[in-house]
Amino acid sequence: AQSVTQPDIHITVSEGASLELRCNYSYGATPYLFWYVQSPGQGLQLLLKYFSGDTLVQGIKGFEAEFKRSQSSFNLRKPSVHWSDAAEYFCAAFEGNAGNMLTFGGGTRLMVKP
Amino acid sequence: NAGVTQTPKFQVLKTGQSMTLQCAQDMNHEYMSWYRQDPGMGLRLIHYSVGAGITDQGEVPNGYNVSRSTTEDFPLRLLSAAPSQTSVYFCASSSGGAAYNEQFFGPGTRLTVL
Repeated sequence: AQSVTQPDIHITVSEGASLELRCNYSYGATPYLFWYVQSPGQGLQLLLKYFSGDTLVQGIKGFEAEFKRSQSSFNLRKPSVHWSDAAEYFCAAFEGNAGNMLTFGGGTRLMVKP
Repeated sequence: NAGVTQTPKFQVLKTGQSMTLQCAQDMNHEYMSWYRQDPGMGLRLIHYSVGAGITDQGEVPNGYNVSRSTTEDFPLRLLSAAPSQTSVYFCASSSGGAAYNEQFFGPGTRLTVL
């Protein structure tokens, strides 16, 4: 079955440190891939997306993600984390299902230490 | 331009009660959808609509009804609430299918069923 897995439920990093959030997908072909962020009490906001082409994609708020076909991964990275990045992050995928909707991973909650 | 709005923000129900979660968007989007968010499970699609008068089931439709009489509104009805429906519910809209069009999310409704 198609699925998106985020292995880390919680991650804590110090402010200013680098960040990498993991995402793995299980699809027959390469799906379209997305990262969303959910700040406390808010809805989800799109950070970035990958359709094809350059495997390193840039997003908003200084985030980037790298698509690696050989590892079925789409990890999210940021060189220097700010306290305002504390939030929950969701990886999502689309592979042309009938509903034309996304399949989400379970989410990773990021905490930032001062 | 309010984007996607949801009411109420919070709701407590007793088992067996019915209620309607409201969702409205003012972006003239054709696609609208309802997700539920449960810890560790990400967002799961309940129902979606690709235009006024057209609805279909998502991954977890049981216990929920929807209708789409206008482009703007997409209410979600709980027919007979059960504790398993305790969750956070998000409404989303987009101008087209999720692959190529950013989904805009409302702030969510937190529902508790006792």
